[in-house]
Amino acid sequence: GDSVTQMEGPVTLSEEAFLTINCTYTATGYPSLFWYVQYPGEGLQLLLKATKADDKGSNKGFEATYRKETTSFHLEKGSVQVSDSAVYFCALSASYNQGGKLIFGQGTELSVKP
Amino acid sequence: DGGITQSPKYLFRKEGQNVTLSCEQNLNHDAMYWYRQDPGQGLRLIYYSQIVNDFQKGDIAEGYSVSREKKESFPLTVTSAQKNPTAFYLCASSRSGTGGWYEQYFGPGTRLTVT
Repeated sequence: GDSVTQMEGPVTLSEEAFLTINCTYTATGYPSLFWYVQYPGEGLQLLLKATKADDKGSNKGFEATYRKETTSFHLEKGSVQVSDSAVYFCALSASYNQGGKLIFGQGTELSVKP
Repeated sequence: DGGITQSPKYLFRKEGQNVTLSCEQNLNHDAMYWYRQDPGQGLRLIYYSQIVNDFQKGDIAEGYSVSREKKESFPLTVTSAQKNPTAFYLCASSRSGTGGWYEQYFGPGTRLTVT
């Protein structure tokens, strides 16, 4: 079945460091791909998305490119801030006849130190 | 403001009691979802509903029940049959279109503690 694998956390970086969080997926067809962010004690917020191969999603300095050839959707940011500390989830949408179900990775906790 | 509301934010119950978690959306979305999140883990789908008066089991439906009598509302009941109900519960919704189903929007969550 469909699945998402994220790099293990926690990830600890200094402020202004470069961030990469790896995400690979297994899916039939052409799923949409998403990154969500969760701050402590809150729900998930959509960070960015890509709906087809070679699409680049971007938001708030974060970017991810939908790579079908490597089945990957890695999250990157050039210069992280303390306020980026959160848990990041990669997800894919199941096929249309499954009612928009999302398959989530296990999440990667990011901690940014001043 | 459009969005999803979940109430209450914290809920405490004694073992053996059923408890109902509320989820309301004013986004006019067709589909609604319930997820369970345990510490350090991803989200697992409990139930989802694409239209009113219809819903499907997700990956971990045992011990839970739902109803969808109105488009805006999708309450989740955690029954006494659920072996380990203490968790963070998240409700979400999404709309459909010619491109398929769009991204899901999440509520703030309800943290349920059963002792």
